Amino acid sequence: AQSVAQPEDQVNVAEGNPLTVKCTYSVSGNPYLFWYVQYPNRGLQFLLKYITGDNLVKGSYGFEAEFNKSQTSFHLKKPSALVSDSALYFCAVRDRRSGTYKYIFGTGTRLKVLA
Amino acid sequence: DGGITQSPKYLFRKEGQNVTLSCEQNLNHDAMYWYRQDPGQGLRLIYYSQIVNDFQKGDIAEGYSVSREKKESFPLTVTSAQKNPTAFYLCASSIGQANEKLFFGSGTQLSVL
Repeated sequence: AQSVAQPEDQVNVAEGNPLTVKCTYSVSGNPYLFWYVQYPNRGLQFLLKYITGDNLVKGSYGFEAEFNKSQTSFHLKKPSALVSDSALYFCAVRDRRSGTYKYIFGTGTRLKVLA
Repeated sequence: DGGITQSPKYLFRKEGQNVTLSCEQNLNHDAMYWYRQDPGQGLRLIYYSQIVNDFQKGDIAEGYSVSREKKESFPLTVTSAQKNPTAFYLCASSIGQANEKLFFGSGTQLSVL
């Protein structure tokens, strides 16, 4: 079965330190990969996506993600965390095959950046 | 401004009552989606629509119904058959291609009285 795993329910990091939020997936073929962020009582906002090409993808608010095909991972990273980065982060994948319209979301990782 | 509007922000349902959540978009997107969000479970797909007058069941469609009579609108009805409706409901849209991102509304919190 296709699935997305975010193994950490919560990640704590000190302001100014680098952060990593992990995501692994089990989807046949080469899926499209996405990261979204959700602030309290709001919808999700798009951060970045991997389609093809360079394994390091840069996105909004200084975030980037590294695609690793052999490990089927797509970890979200930021070199220096801000308190305002504290939010809920979701990894999502979508099958490249035509006619498959479902995005599969992970369960989310709550990031807490401590001042 | 272009975007997706969900209303109401908060909704309360009495036992045996059907309620309808509104979702309107002015992005000219073909595809629209309804997700249910429960704590610790991520987002689960209820229904999606790729084109007007057509929609498909997602993973948890039981107890829900939708319509897509206009490109801009994709209302979700939570019927009395849905025994555990308390959740945060998110509507999303996209242009319909597989590599395109989703645009989300700000959500509706549904609670049972």
